[in-house]
Amino acid sequence: GENVEQHPSTLSVQEGDSAVIKCTYSDSASNYFPWYKQELGKRPQLIIDIRSNVGEKKDQRIAVTLNKTAKHFSLHITETQPEDSAVYFCAAIPNAGGTSYGKLTFGQGTILTVHP
Amino acid sequence: NAGVTQTPKFQVLKTGQSMTLQCAQDMNHEYMSWYRQDPGMGLRLIHYSVGAGITDQGEVPNGYNVSRSTTEDFPLRLLSAAPSQTSVYFCASRSGLIAGANVLTFGAGSRLTVL
Repeated sequence: GENVEQHPSTLSVQEGDSAVIKCTYSDSASNYFPWYKQELGKRPQLIIDIRSNVGEKKDQRIAVTLNKTAKHFSLHITETQPEDSAVYFCAAIPNAGGTSYGKLTFGQGTILTVHP
Repeated sequence: NAGVTQTPKFQVLKTGQSMTLQCAQDMNHEYMSWYRQDPGMGLRLIHYSVGAGITDQGEVPNGYNVSRSTTEDFPLRLLSAAPSQTSVYFCASRSGLIAGANVLTFGAGSRLTVL
């Protein structure tokens, strides 16, 4: 099955700095890669996603890049703010759009702390 | 439209006890699933369902049972609770069966402690 590795496990930045979280996946057939943000005590919520036919996607201060050849994808947060502090999870779905019914495999999570 | 509703929010069990975590969604989603969240291990899929009467195992199914008698409900049963099942459990659902076509929506979570 799919295996997703996420690094770093913790990340501490100063407000205004950029933050980058990286994930690698094992199944070359995976073609959908969402990122979830989980604030303390809350449920995970989708913040951005990317499909394998796209190399980069941006939404205001967040962006995701995908390198299919190397089988890795990254989340970039610019101009970080204290409210960006949360746990971030990457995920991958093998054969998305086929008959696997979207068994999302999550990375281990990154605890991001943004210091004012 | 309440989304995905989980009950209870908190539960303490003794080893060997059984219990059911309830999950209901009012969005007519075909796909429903259960994840457990443990520190440093991310979210791991326990069981999932693609429609009423259809369930399948995920990554960590041992010790858990599920059923899907209606589109709305997808309960998770712990048959004989063990301390290793101490975790936060999330139910999640999605419209449609094609992964990536629609967002996976999570419930608020259920924190289970097994003594």
